Amino acid sequence: SQTIHQWPATLVQPVGSPLSLECTVEGTSNPNLYWYRQAAGRGLQLLFYSVGIGQISSEVPQNLSASRPQDRQFILSSKKLLLSDSGFYLCAWSDLPGYVYEQYFGPGTRLTVT
Amino acid sequence: DAKTTQPNSMESNEEEPVHLPCNHSTISGTDYIHWYRQLPSQGPEYVIHGLTSNVNNRMASLAIAEDRKSSTLILHRATLRDAAVYYCILSKSGGGADGLTFGKGTHLIIQP
Repeated sequence: SQTIHQWPATLVQPVGSPLSLECTVEGTSNPNLYWYRQAAGRGLQLLFYSVGIGQISSEVPQNLSASRPQDRQFILSSKKLLLSDSGFYLCAWSDLPGYVYEQYFGPGTRLTVT
Repeated sequence: DAKTTQPNSMESNEEEPVHLPCNHSTISGTDYIHWYRQLPSQGPEYVIHGLTSNVNNRMASLAIAEDRKSSTLILHRATLRDAAVYYCILSKSGGGADGLTFGKGTHLIIQP
């Protein structure tokens, strides 16, 4: 069966510090991978998605970036965090390339920028 | 993308059916209707999806209006564990790898 892991579960970082969040998927190959963010009291916002190694699409311009160094690994990064980067970050995967798909979400990382 | 409209919150009693409405008047002919739910401090969880016909699975039923401009998620017998935010989402025409567009959803409160 497929599983998705995210770490760390919680993170407190000062403004201006770098960020690296990692997501890995097991039990499937060549998945679509996604990063979402949920700010306090708001809905989920799609940040990035990837259909393959090295292929990243960005939905929202910001100071965040994403990379996919391996088939089942997706990394979210920032060089300098802003207060507005605080939120609940969720990684998700889905199968290629189906017309109808379910997305499977990880447990999330709660980031607080102080 | 076609948008959806849902009530901000709804309240129901335990062991009673719950009908969660969703309006999507600008839906296109090839858009699928998806429902996800998110329990507190967790990632969203897929519930059900459909295109034109009503759908049933072990979690819920999805009733789709004949003109497809609205749909209703039905929880047949709500439990306290069903308390969550429920999102009604339309997939982009043609499916593919694009991510889902989540709105604010409906916060479902279940009273014991």
